[in-house]
Amino acid sequence: AQRVTQPEKLLSVFKGAPVELKCNYSYSGSPELFWYVQYSRQRLQLLLRHISRESIKGFTADLNKGETSFHLKKPFAQEEDSAMYYCALMFSGGYNKLIFGAGTRLAVHP
Amino acid sequence: DTEVTQTPKHLVMGMTNKKSLKCEQHMGHRAMYWYKQKAKKPPELMFVYSYEKLSINESVPSRFSPECPNSSLLNLHLHALQPEDSALYLCASSFERGGELFFGEGSRLTVL
Repeated sequence: AQRVTQPEKLLSVFKGAPVELKCNYSYSGSPELFWYVQYSRQRLQLLLRHISRESIKGFTADLNKGETSFHLKKPFAQEEDSAMYYCALMFSGGYNKLIFGAGTRLAVHP
Repeated sequence: DTEVTQTPKHLVMGMTNKKSLKCEQHMGHRAMYWYKQKAKKPPELMFVYSYEKLSINESVPSRFSPECPNSSLLNLHLHALQPEDSALYLCASSFERGGELFFGEGSRLTVL
């Protein structure tokens, strides 16, 4: 079955510490993976996608097909990074079906 | 205009009422989506429209009836809902071939 797993509900770190939010997926086709973020009182928005291979707000994520993972990393967390982070998988074949993991709340403390 | 606009922001309805949620975008996107989000849970896909045609229905009960009257508008008609249908309903849009979804702020529905 197609699934996105985010094992941590809450990740709590201090400012300046490295951050890694874990995401694993289960999908038989060729997936397209995303990280979406929801800051307090703001709408859900795209943070980054694996095919662009870019760094957004200091975050990076690499698709590892062998481990079926797409972990989100940032070397030095900032307080403004505190938010809800969702890993998401879009099915291949142009079906436009995007499913989300359970989400990880990142809390960055001063 | 690079936003997805949803109305109303809040809706309270009884189980016998008929109401509608509305969503609008003017980004030229040809795919539009309805998601349901319960508190402390991720968004769950309900429906996908592609070029104004329903392409995905995730086994949603018939008391939820989507409609896409044109490429900019998406409605969700509600009838005979249950209290457990209370949730935040999110609309999103994207270019037809997938990629980034742009989300609205949501309509918070309470069913009494």
